[in-house]
Amino acid sequence: AQTVTQSQPEMSVQEAETVTLSCTYDTSESNYYLFWYKQPPSRQMILVIRQEAYKQQNATENRFSVNFQKAAKSFSLKISDSQLGDTAMYFCAFMKIDQFYFGTGTSLTVIP
Amino acid sequence: DGGITQSPKYLFRKEGQNVTLSCEQNLNHDAMYWYRQDPGQGLRLIYYSQIVNDFQKGDIAEGYSVSREKKESFPLTVTSAQKNPTAFYLCASSIFAGVSNEQFFGPGTRLTVL
Repeated sequence: AQTVTQSQPEMSVQEAETVTLSCTYDTSESNYYLFWYKQPPSRQMILVIRQEAYKQQNATENRFSVNFQKAAKSFSLKISDSQLGDTAMYFCAFMKIDQFYFGTGTSLTVIP
Repeated sequence: DGGITQSPKYLFRKEGQNVTLSCEQNLNHDAMYWYRQDPGQGLRLIYYSQIVNDFQKGDIAEGYSVSREKKESFPLTVTSAQKNPTAFYLCASSIFAGVSNEQFFGPGTRLTVL
């Protein structure tokens, strides 16, 4: 079975600072995909960034980037220049074939 | 506007009653999914469907049932057999299963069983 672990239930960061959210996963698969989703207080899930396991280059999307360490099965999310609108739950997700597996989430608060 | 709609946003039911949650998408996606979200447990997969008239159980299917008679609709019924149905339910869709497509989510339904 695939498992996704987010070991930081809650985090906070000062506005304009950088924060890193951790995610580890367990799988025997070699080809899979990883995602970070954001769930703001509205509870609407929004895709933040995605990474293909076969790509060594880390994905980036504006202020969001990942540190993908395939051998260590680690997939952390770095948010640069944090903004108040980044306050949300962040879920790491692992996908293989036709199913997603989600972590338990990290609640991030950006402090003005 | 293309997207996923879930209705109602809040739903209250008495214990022992079946209740059906609606999920509709106009994205022309083949695959649809139902998740349950509880505090501290993330999202757990209930059922998913890759094509019309076909669906598979997820990790926590007991006490739930689904149908997929139309491509755009994937209703979820929470039956009286579900021991702890109070939760937040999310519906999602993707272009089709089997590739690295992201899932698009609806706004969710909060079910409270009294």
